[in-house]
Amino acid sequence: AQSVTQPDIHITVSEGASLELRCNYSYGATPYLFWYVQSPGQGLQLLLKYFSGDTLVQGIKGFEAEFKRSQSSFNLRKPSVHWSDAAEYFCAVGAEAAGNKLTFGGGTRVLVKP
Amino acid sequence: EAQVTQNPRYLITVTGKKLTVTCSQNMNHEYMSWYRQDPGLGLRQIYYSMNVEVTDKGDVPEGYKVSRKEKRNFPLILESPSPNQTSLYFCASRSTRQGTQYFGPGTRLLVL
Repeated sequence: AQSVTQPDIHITVSEGASLELRCNYSYGATPYLFWYVQSPGQGLQLLLKYFSGDTLVQGIKGFEAEFKRSQSSFNLRKPSVHWSDAAEYFCAVGAEAAGNKLTFGGGTRVLVKP
Repeated sequence: EAQVTQNPRYLITVTGKKLTVTCSQNMNHEYMSWYRQDPGLGLRQIYYSMNVEVTDKGDVPEGYKVSRKEKRNFPLILESPSPNQTSLYFCASRSTRQGTQYFGPGTRLLVL
């Protein structure tokens, strides 16, 4: 069965500092990997996705993520955080063979200090 | 505009009173699904549908029903809601030809 772990429940970062959110997955084959962001009171917005190819993926809002098969990780990074990046971030894994289901991690809530 | 819509957005009800949350997508997607979001648990899949008249259970289907009579609609039915179904619900859709799921805005349900 596929699973996703986001080890950090909360992260506080100063505006302008770099941000890295960790994501570890478990899946038997090559997964599809996603990062979504949920701003307070809002729905889910796709930040980026990895299906195959280049393991460094660029997304919207200046985010990037790197797929590391050997570590079963798909960590999300941003070089310089803006106050508007305060939100909850979800890593998800999906696969065609799993009935197209997305399995989500528990989420990481990011707080941005001025 | 391509989108997934859900109604209602907010709902307060009482235990045992049947309710339906509607979901509609305008992208001609084959695949649709329902998730619930609870603090610390992320989103968990309730039911999904691969196409019209084809539905299957997700990870947490107990207490829920779905139907898929038309390609664009995928309603979630709670026949006898209970307080443990208080949650934030998301509908999603995707094409079987590409892997990105598009989510609706969410429905916040409170069962008293």
